[in-house]
Amino acid sequence: DAGITQSPRHKVTETGTPVTLRCHQTENHRYMYWYRQDPGHGLRLIHYSYGVKDTDKGEVSDGYSVSRSKTEDFLLTLESATSSQTSVYFCAISERTGLNEQFFGPGTRLTVL
Amino acid sequence: GNSVTQMEGPVTLSEEAFLTINCTYTATGYPSLFWYVQYPGEGLQLLLKATKADDKGSNKGFEATYRKETTSFHLEKGSVQVSDSAVYFCALGLNTGNQFYFGTGTSLTVIP
Repeated sequence: DAGITQSPRHKVTETGTPVTLRCHQTENHRYMYWYRQDPGHGLRLIHYSYGVKDTDKGEVSDGYSVSRSKTEDFLLTLESATSSQTSVYFCAISERTGLNEQFFGPGTRLTVL
Repeated sequence: GNSVTQMEGPVTLSEEAFLTINCTYTATGYPSLFWYVQYPGEGLQLLLKATKADDKGSNKGFEATYRKETTSFHLEKGSVQVSDSAVYFCALGLNTGNQFYFGTGTSLTVIP
Protein backbone atom coordinates (compact mmCIF):
# COMPACT_ATOMS: atom_id res chain seq x y z
CA ASP A 1 0.00 0.00 0.00
CA ALA A 2 1.11 3.53 -0.76
CA GLY A 3 2.32 5.36 2.33
CA ILE A 4 -0.38 7.95 2.85
CA THR A 5 -1.67 9.07 6.22
CA GLN A 6 -4.33 11.61 7.07
CA SER A 7 -4.84 13.41 10.35
CA PRO A 8 -7.04 13.69 12.19
CA ARG A 9 -9.16 10.69 11.17
CA HIS A 10 -12.25 12.11 12.83
CA LYS A 11 -13.11 15.64 13.87
CA VAL A 12 -16.17 17.39 15.21
CA THR A 13 -16.13 21.17 15.17
CA GLU A 14 -18.49 24.10 15.36
CA THR A 15 -19.61 26.46 12.64
CA GLY A 16 -17.24 29.36 12.16
CA THR A 17 -14.11 27.69 13.52
CA PRO A 18 -11.01 27.13 11.41
CA VAL A 19 -10.03 23.55 10.63
CA THR A 20 -6.86 22.14 9.09
CA LEU A 21 -6.56 18.62 7.74
CA ARG A 22 -3.18 17.12 7.03
CA CYS A 23 -2.09 14.64 4.39
CA HIS A 24 1.35 13.08 4.66
CA GLN A 25 3.01 10.81 2.09
CA THR A 26 6.20 8.80 2.15
CA GLU A 27 6.22 7.98 -1.59
CA ASN A 28 7.83 11.21 -2.82
CA HIS A 29 5.04 11.59 -5.40
CA ARG A 30 4.80 14.93 -7.15
CA TYR A 31 1.02 15.25 -7.32
CA MET A 32 -1.32 15.47 -4.34
CA TYR A 33 -5.08 15.95 -4.26
CA TRP A 34 -7.88 16.72 -1.82
CA TYR A 35 -11.35 15.32 -2.47
CA ARG A 36 -14.59 15.34 -0.59
CA GLN A 37 -17.02 12.44 -0.71
CA ASP A 38 -20.73 12.98 -0.23
CA PRO A 39 -23.69 10.66 -0.88
CA GLY A 40 -24.96 11.01 -4.44
CA HIS A 41 -21.93 13.01 -5.56
CA GLY A 42 -19.12 10.51 -5.58
CA LEU A 43 -15.76 12.19 -5.16
CA ARG A 44 -15.28 15.83 -6.01
CA LEU A 45 -11.92 17.51 -6.33
CA ILE A 46 -11.29 20.43 -4.00
CA HIS A 47 -7.69 21.41 -4.76
CA TYR A 48 -4.61 19.74 -6.07
CA SER A 49 -0.88 20.31 -6.07
CA TYR A 50 1.62 19.60 -8.83
CA GLY A 51 4.71 20.46 -6.80
CA VAL A 52 5.94 22.31 -3.74
CA LYS A 53 4.11 25.63 -3.54
CA ASP A 54 2.26 24.83 -6.80
CA THR A 55 -1.47 24.36 -6.34
CA ASP A 56 -4.63 24.79 -8.35
CA LYS A 57 -8.38 24.78 -7.76
CA GLY A 58 -10.68 21.90 -8.37
CA GLU A 59 -14.41 21.62 -8.88
CA VAL A 60 -15.49 22.63 -5.35
CA SER A 61 -12.76 24.94 -4.03
CA ASP A 62 -14.91 27.70 -2.50
CA GLY A 63 -14.37 27.90 1.27
CA TYR A 64 -11.15 25.88 1.15
CA SER A 65 -7.47 26.75 0.88
CA VAL A 66 -4.40 24.56 0.63
CA SER A 67 -0.69 24.74 1.18
CA ARG A 68 2.24 22.57 0.27
CA SER A 69 5.56 23.66 1.71
CA LYS A 70 7.17 20.22 1.50
CA THR A 71 6.82 17.39 -0.97
CA GLU A 72 5.40 15.06 1.67
CA ASP A 73 2.74 17.31 3.22
CA PHE A 74 -0.43 18.80 1.76
CA LEU A 75 -2.68 20.78 4.10
CA LEU A 76 -6.35 21.57 3.57
CA THR A 77 -7.78 24.47 5.55
CA LEU A 78 -11.37 25.45 6.11
CA GLU A 79 -11.01 29.07 7.17
CA SER A 80 -14.47 29.23 8.73
CA ALA A 81 -16.22 25.88 8.74
CA THR A 82 -19.87 25.62 7.70
CA SER A 83 -22.33 22.75 8.05
CA SER A 84 -22.21 22.21 4.27
CA GLN A 85 -18.58 21.19 4.70
CA THR A 86 -19.55 18.17 6.77
CA SER A 87 -18.12 15.37 4.67
CA VAL A 88 -15.47 12.71 4.37
CA TYR A 89 -12.22 14.13 3.02
CA PHE A 90 -9.73 12.04 1.10
CA CYS A 91 -6.19 12.81 0.13
CA ALA A 92 -4.67 11.17 -2.92
CA ILE A 93 -1.23 11.09 -4.51
CA SER A 94 0.04 10.38 -7.99
CA GLU A 95 3.51 9.94 -9.36
CA ARG A 96 2.86 11.56 -12.71
CA THR A 97 0.00 13.18 -14.59
CA GLY A 98 -3.72 12.50 -14.41
CA LEU A 99 -3.17 9.66 -16.86
CA ASN A 100 -1.66 7.66 -14.02
CA GLU A 101 -3.42 6.07 -11.10
CA GLN A 102 -4.02 7.90 -7.87
CA PHE A 103 -3.53 6.30 -4.46
CA PHE A 104 -5.82 7.28 -1.65
CA GLY A 105 -5.44 7.88 2.05
CA PRO A 106 -7.85 6.43 4.65
CA GLY A 107 -9.97 9.59 4.88
CA THR A 108 -10.99 12.12 7.52
CA ARG A 109 -14.58 12.30 8.67
CA LEU A 110 -15.41 15.93 9.50
CA THR A 111 -18.62 16.99 11.19
CA VAL A 112 -19.45 20.69 11.47
CA LEU A 113 -22.19 21.40 13.99
CA GLY B 1 -16.66 18.47 -20.94
CA ASN B 2 -15.23 15.45 -19.19
CA SER B 3 -17.45 13.14 -17.20
CA VAL B 4 -18.11 9.57 -16.12
CA THR B 5 -21.52 7.96 -15.86
CA GLN B 6 -22.07 4.77 -13.89
CA MET B 7 -25.12 2.60 -13.59
CA GLU B 8 -27.34 3.42 -10.65
CA GLY B 9 -27.20 1.20 -7.63
CA PRO B 10 -27.55 -0.41 -5.32
CA VAL B 11 -26.92 -3.79 -6.87
CA THR B 12 -27.72 -6.97 -4.94
CA LEU B 13 -26.52 -10.34 -6.20
CA SER B 14 -26.37 -13.86 -4.90
CA GLU B 15 -22.98 -15.45 -4.37
CA GLU B 16 -21.49 -16.90 -7.59
CA ALA B 17 -23.66 -14.69 -9.80
CA PHE B 18 -22.25 -12.77 -12.79
CA LEU B 19 -21.55 -9.09 -12.23
CA THR B 20 -21.64 -6.22 -14.69
CA ILE B 21 -21.37 -2.59 -13.67
CA ASN B 22 -21.73 -0.23 -16.61
CA CYS B 23 -19.50 2.79 -17.05
CA THR B 24 -19.45 5.24 -19.93
CA TYR B 25 -17.37 8.34 -20.30
CA THR B 26 -17.03 11.62 -22.14
CA ALA B 27 -13.56 13.00 -22.55
CA THR B 28 -11.53 15.49 -24.53
CA GLY B 29 -8.34 13.83 -25.61
CA TYR B 30 -7.24 10.30 -24.78
CA PRO B 31 -7.95 9.32 -21.19
CA SER B 32 -6.77 6.51 -19.01
CA LEU B 33 -9.61 4.59 -17.36
CA PHE B 34 -9.77 3.12 -13.88
CA TRP B 35 -11.95 1.13 -11.53
CA TYR B 36 -11.62 1.71 -7.82
CA VAL B 37 -13.21 -0.19 -4.94
CA GLN B 38 -14.13 1.21 -1.54
CA TYR B 39 -14.86 -1.02 1.42
CA PRO B 40 -16.81 0.42 4.36
CA GLY B 41 -14.84 2.95 6.37
CA GLU B 42 -11.85 2.85 4.04
CA GLY B 43 -10.32 4.88 1.25
CA LEU B 44 -10.47 3.96 -2.41
CA GLN B 45 -8.25 1.18 -3.69
CA LEU B 46 -7.23 0.81 -7.30
CA LEU B 47 -8.85 -2.31 -8.72
CA LEU B 48 -7.73 -2.18 -12.34
CA LYS B 49 -6.83 0.21 -15.12
CA ALA B 50 -6.47 0.56 -18.89
CA THR B 51 -4.45 3.22 -20.63
CA LYS B 52 -5.44 2.89 -24.28
CA ALA B 53 -8.20 1.63 -26.53
CA ASP B 54 -8.78 -2.16 -26.52
CA ASP B 55 -6.66 -2.62 -23.40
CA LYS B 56 -8.13 -5.02 -20.86
CA GLY B 57 -7.48 -4.40 -17.19
CA SER B 58 -7.86 -7.31 -14.79
CA ASN B 59 -7.38 -8.03 -11.11
CA LYS B 60 -8.86 -10.42 -8.52
CA GLY B 61 -11.21 -11.92 -11.11
CA PHE B 62 -12.53 -8.53 -12.23
CA GLU B 63 -12.09 -7.38 -15.82
CA ALA B 64 -12.84 -4.27 -17.88
CA THR B 65 -12.06 -3.46 -21.50
CA TYR B 66 -11.42 0.06 -22.78
CA ARG B 67 -13.87 0.49 -25.68
CA LYS B 68 -13.21 3.71 -27.53
CA GLU B 69 -15.97 3.15 -30.10
CA THR B 70 -18.64 2.96 -27.40
CA THR B 71 -16.77 5.14 -24.86
CA SER B 72 -17.27 2.46 -22.25
CA PHE B 73 -15.32 0.63 -19.55
CA HIS B 74 -17.75 -1.87 -18.04
CA LEU B 75 -16.65 -3.86 -15.00
CA GLU B 76 -17.32 -7.62 -15.01
CA LYS B 77 -16.74 -10.59 -12.77
CA GLY B 78 -17.82 -14.10 -13.53
CA SER B 79 -18.60 -15.26 -10.00
CA VAL B 80 -18.97 -12.78 -7.15
CA GLN B 81 -18.26 -13.53 -3.52
CA VAL B 82 -19.62 -12.03 -0.32
CA SER B 83 -16.24 -10.34 0.16
CA ASP B 84 -16.82 -8.35 -3.07
CA SER B 85 -19.50 -6.31 -1.32
CA ALA B 86 -18.30 -2.71 -1.63
CA VAL B 87 -18.78 0.50 -3.59
CA TYR B 88 -17.19 0.58 -7.04
CA PHE B 89 -16.10 3.77 -8.76
CA CYS B 90 -15.25 4.27 -12.41
CA ALA B 91 -12.82 7.09 -13.17
CA LEU B 92 -10.98 8.69 -16.03
CA GLY B 93 -7.70 10.54 -15.93
CA LEU B 94 -6.45 13.14 -18.36
CA ASN B 95 -3.09 14.69 -18.99
CA THR B 96 -4.59 18.16 -19.26
CA GLY B 97 -5.19 19.69 -15.84
CA ASN B 98 -3.79 16.59 -14.13
CA GLN B 99 -7.26 15.70 -12.96
CA PHE B 100 -9.41 12.66 -12.41
CA TYR B 101 -13.14 12.48 -12.99
CA PHE B 102 -15.12 9.99 -10.92
CA GLY B 103 -18.50 8.42 -11.38
CA THR B 104 -20.91 8.57 -8.47
CA GLY B 105 -20.20 5.00 -7.42
CA THR B 106 -22.21 1.77 -7.50
CA SER B 107 -22.91 -0.08 -4.29
CA LEU B 108 -22.73 -3.87 -4.57
CA THR B 109 -24.05 -6.27 -1.96
CA VAL B 110 -23.47 -9.99 -2.39
CA ILE B 111 -25.65 -12.28 -0.31
CA PRO B 112 -24.77 -15.90 0.55
